[in-house]
Amino acid sequence: DTAVSQTPKYLVTQMGNDKSIKCEQNLGHDTMYWYKQDSKKFLKIMFSYNNKELIINETVPNRFSPKSPDKAHLNLHINSLELGDSAVYFCASSQIQGLAGFTDTQYFGPGTRLTVL
Amino acid sequence: ELKVEQNPLFLSMQEGKNYTIYCNYSTTSDRLYWYRQDPGKSLESLFVLLSNGAVKQEGRLMASLDTKARLSTLHITAAVHDLSATYFCAVTTSGTYKYIFGTGTRLKVLA
Repeated sequence: DTAVSQTPKYLVTQMGNDKSIKCEQNLGHDTMYWYKQDSKKFLKIMFSYNNKELIINETVPNRFSPKSPDKAHLNLHINSLELGDSAVYFCASSQIQGLAGFTDTQYFGPGTRLTVL
Repeated sequence: ELKVEQNPLFLSMQEGKNYTIYCNYSTTSDRLYWYRQDPGKSLESLFVLLSNGAVKQEGRLMASLDTKARLSTLHITAAVHDLSATYFCAVTTSGTYKYIFGTGTRLKVLA
């Protein structure tokens, strides 16, 4: 069974379009993340949800909107796509441990390669 | 703001040789992780280091942590081609829920 899955794996679209990426985890984790990996392999966190509550919201254009219908799912909707949005988007999940909030090992999905033409 | 730097960014080495990848971070951190990413693939967890002096080994890879120096190392012993990948370190601090990833080290092992 796939622990963290994403759909679609590849997404090719025109500038100005709106698209969504979906993520699901079956690990029972309470926290999910979206990362963007650019062409130089730099990984940047975008958003995180803990039990459906937004806990991390980095400096990301408001064209990007995450939604978590339940703690096993985290979706990413992107409006008015731009050329600079082309990247690989990774979903990840982990478990927050203890009262101090230690973040345990993150498990990553296979990634969605977004190409904006 | 917590920053994480790795060096080298690129590493090309011969099979059978030893080398070390360095991960420096700027402020106090509670945990340090190492991940591997094969080309076109996802990230796979290698090690988690929880305390000063922690050492973990798996096959030809050994990771260590010096919290006083804010430094972690990933040592490669007798490299083989299958170790070719990009290696990332990441640090977390309790209560922030955030991973800060290093810049990554692209390792290429030449036969």
